[in-house]
Amino acid sequence: GAGVSQSPSNKVTEKGKDVELRCDPISGHTALYWYRQRLGQGLEFLIYFQGNSAPDKSGLPSDRFSAERTGESVSTLTIQRTQQEDSAVYLCASSFGGGPTDTQYFGPGTRLTVL
Amino acid sequence: AQRVTQPEKLLSVFKGAPVELKCNYSYSGSPELFWYVQYSRQRLQLLLRHISRESIKGFTADLNKGETSFHLKKPFAQEEDSAMYYCALASGTYKYIFGTGTRLKVLA
Repeated sequence: GAGVSQSPSNKVTEKGKDVELRCDPISGHTALYWYRQRLGQGLEFLIYFQGNSAPDKSGLPSDRFSAERTGESVSTLTIQRTQQEDSAVYLCASSFGGGPTDTQYFGPGTRLTVL
Repeated sequence: AQRVTQPEKLLSVFKGAPVELKCNYSYSGSPELFWYVQYSRQRLQLLLRHISRESIKGFTADLNKGETSFHLKKPFAQEEDSAMYYCALASGTYKYIFGTGTRLKVLA
């Protein structure tokens, strides 16, 4: 079946504008992760959703970042008043159960460039 | 602090030569460790996990708790192994910490 999809694949925006990134997880996967990958750096955990439980937002770098997920389906990551340091690839991953024995399946990422 | 360190940004080896991609970790509990790989123009995907003690595409990785290492090894590199490799640690039940990655180039 289809894997994790993300849109848009590329987004160029001006500093101060808001952006919304979308992730469609694999159907039936209860866990969903967002990561940020800055140039030359590793993946930085942002937020974790598991079913209907309260999300773990501990990785969000500032209150300009927020994310939502409707049930076990689509998730959106919103960045308000974007800054140049927000430029990165934003990766979404989903897994069946969310535990360390559950394989994470990654989307292709959204490359965000803030001018 | 919990951390995953991959000291090499780039590793170049000739085809047929042995490969070792280094990964060291810092974690106070009992770690769950993984290697992820990203081939050119493809998505990041799981290569192997230490709990499975498996060999995937000829790669193996052994957890050494004394040295806090989880190095990825392959006895004979192939050109199709060229990719970006990330070591990752599962912190707690679901949170992952990734290293900065090592780009492996296998030269003909």
